[in-house]
This record gives sequence, C-alpha cells and structure tokens, in this order.
Amino acid sequence: GENVEQHPSTLSVQEGDSAVIKCTYSDSASNYFPWYKQELGKRPQLIIDIRSNVGEKKDQRIAVTLNKTAKHFSLHITETQPEDSAVYFCAASEAGGSYIPTFGRGTSLIVHP
Amino acid sequence: KAGVTQTPRYLIKTRGQQVTLSCSPISGHRSVSWYQQTPGQGLQFLFEYFSETQRNKGNFPGRFSGRQFSNSRSEMNVSTLELGDSALYLCASSGTGLITEAFFGQGTRLTVV
Repeated sequence: GENVEQHPSTLSVQEGDSAVIKCTYSDSASNYFPWYKQELGKRPQLIIDIRSNVGEKKDQRIAVTLNKTAKHFSLHITETQPEDSAVYFCAASEAGGSYIPTFGRGTSLIVHP
Repeated sequence: KAGVTQTPRYLIKTRGQQVTLSCSPISGHRSVSWYQQTPGQGLQFLFEYFSETQRNKGNFPGRFSGRQFSNSRSEMNVSTLELGDSALYLCASSGTGLITEAFFGQGTRLTVV
C-alpha cells in the first residue's frame, strides 16, 4: 500500500517568513495530492490540492509543487501570519473509484508574531 | 448544505466496554471513511464504506468495526475498549467522481479510563 512520509514534524517561523513542508510517497500509481489544515480543536480542511498532470499550483500565499519522478511534493506558504499556525497534513491517493487518501503524520506549524 | 455531523462529540468509557460512534455525511455523499487521530500518529485510516459495503479497511484489530445504512449514515463500533483506544475519531465523506475532496466531521473525542 501507499506510504507517505512528512517532514518536519514541527516547524517554527517568524511572521512574514516562508514555510516549507515536504512529503514523499511510495506508490507510483498515486495521482492526487491534497493538503489539509487542522487548527486547534477543529476538523481538517482542504486548503490546496494537486493532480499528477501538474507540476505546481498556487493559491494566493500557498503553493504546492509535485515531482513525480522523485515521488515528492511540497507545500509552500509565503508571508506567514499567526493565523497560519496549525497542523498541516499531506496525503496521496489514486483517484478514480475508491478515493482513500493516505495521510502523512502532520506538521505542526507555529508562526510567531 | 449541512456538513458532516458526528455524534457524540465527547465520550468517556471504561476499559472493557464497547462504544458506538455515528457519522452523518453530506447529503448526496455515498462514501464515508473513518480515521483515528492521536498525537504524533497523524490520521490513521480505519475503514471506508460505500453504498452500505465496506470497500477498504486499514490495519486495525477486529475490535473496530463499522457499518453504513441505506441513507449513507455510518456507525463505528469499538468493542472491549483499551486505554490505547483513546483518540479523536474523525469521519469524512466524499462524493462520487474521479477526484473528490474529503470533508471531515468535527470528530468524537473518546477517552478510555
């Protein structure tokens, strides 16, 4: 089955800095890579996703890159703000039919004002 | 459109007891997945139901079981509770289609004492 590794487990940055979270996956059949943000005491919510036919996707201050050859994908957050503080999960899945994402263990991002 | 609803929000049980958790998906969604979330372990996949059938199963002991009803509502049961079962249990529903977002419920916080 799919295995997703996520690093770092904790990331502490100053407000305004950039943050990068990296994930690797093992199953070459995976073709859909969502990122979820979970604020303290709240449910995980999708913030951005990327499909395997695209190398990069941006949405305002967040972007995701995908390297299919190396089987890794990354989340980039620029100009971080205190409200970006949360746990971020990457996931990988093979879309089509059964959609079951395998999640990484999460990265706790702390943005210091 | 109502979101994913999980009940109860909090539960305290004693070792050896059993517990049933409920999840009502977004209207029209037929896939319901269950996850166990513990600190440092991320989101561990339990099982997925689609149209009343278990379609996928994670690596959890047989004490963890589930079912789905004709209205897509799902229940998860844990028998002979152990202290290590203390966790946040999240369910997520997804629509049909090749690539669909998983929408999470608020979760049920289970504490086993």
